[in-house]
Amino acid sequence: QKEVEQDPGPLSVPEGAIVSLNCTYSNSAFQYFMWYRQYSRKGPELLMYTYSSGNKEDGRFTAQVDKSSKYISLFIRDSQPSDSATYLCAMKTGANNLFFGTGTRLTVIP
Amino acid sequence: SQTIHQWPATLVQPVGSPLSLECTVEGTSNPNLYWYRQAAGRGLQLLFYSVGIGQISSEVPQNLSASRPQDRQFILSSKKLLLSDSGFYLCAYVRGKNTGELFFGEGSRLTVL
Repeated sequence: QKEVEQDPGPLSVPEGAIVSLNCTYSNSAFQYFMWYRQYSRKGPELLMYTYSSGNKEDGRFTAQVDKSSKYISLFIRDSQPSDSATYLCAMKTGANNLFFGTGTRLTVIP
Repeated sequence: SQTIHQWPATLVQPVGSPLSLECTVEGTSNPNLYWYRQAAGRGLQLLFYSVGIGQISSEVPQNLSASRPQDRQFILSSKKLLLSDSGFYLCAYVRGKNTGELFFGEGSRLTVL
């Protein structure tokens, strides 16, 4: 079983839709949870970061962590064509390196 | 401000040829540095990481090697490339020491023919 599982998609939504991206994980020791956005042929950039359980909101983006279910989500409200990218979840314990999901490719259709 | 540079951005190499990819970081000292490879549909694979000059940890056995000759320079090399070495190579450094947040370079796309 992989440490982090993420549906690769692809996911296509119309402009203005609410997007839900998800990851599951197996290591209950993970404490730090991140979402990266990667545009085509570019390096990933950090989008959201949360520590432990709970929600975090930043503009149109909301990150949720449910440690009891070992499940994290990223919600994008009022999606825009500029949100079209691959979204990678990542997580770690206090000591080790980041574990990444495989990424979900999102296309927002105008 | 902190920046990270990778080069070359793109290269096409024949099987059996050598490889050298370079990464430099500016605006920070003694960074933890990483090399990742991203192949289609396989996500980010950690290849090497370094906590200081001359200190290299390998995560995956392969025909690649890494070196850190200077504090802010990280080099990925191969003596003889394989077809399976094709991919998108990303250098990164740890921007948040406690969180492990990584800041990535723009990447080097390698095609081995």
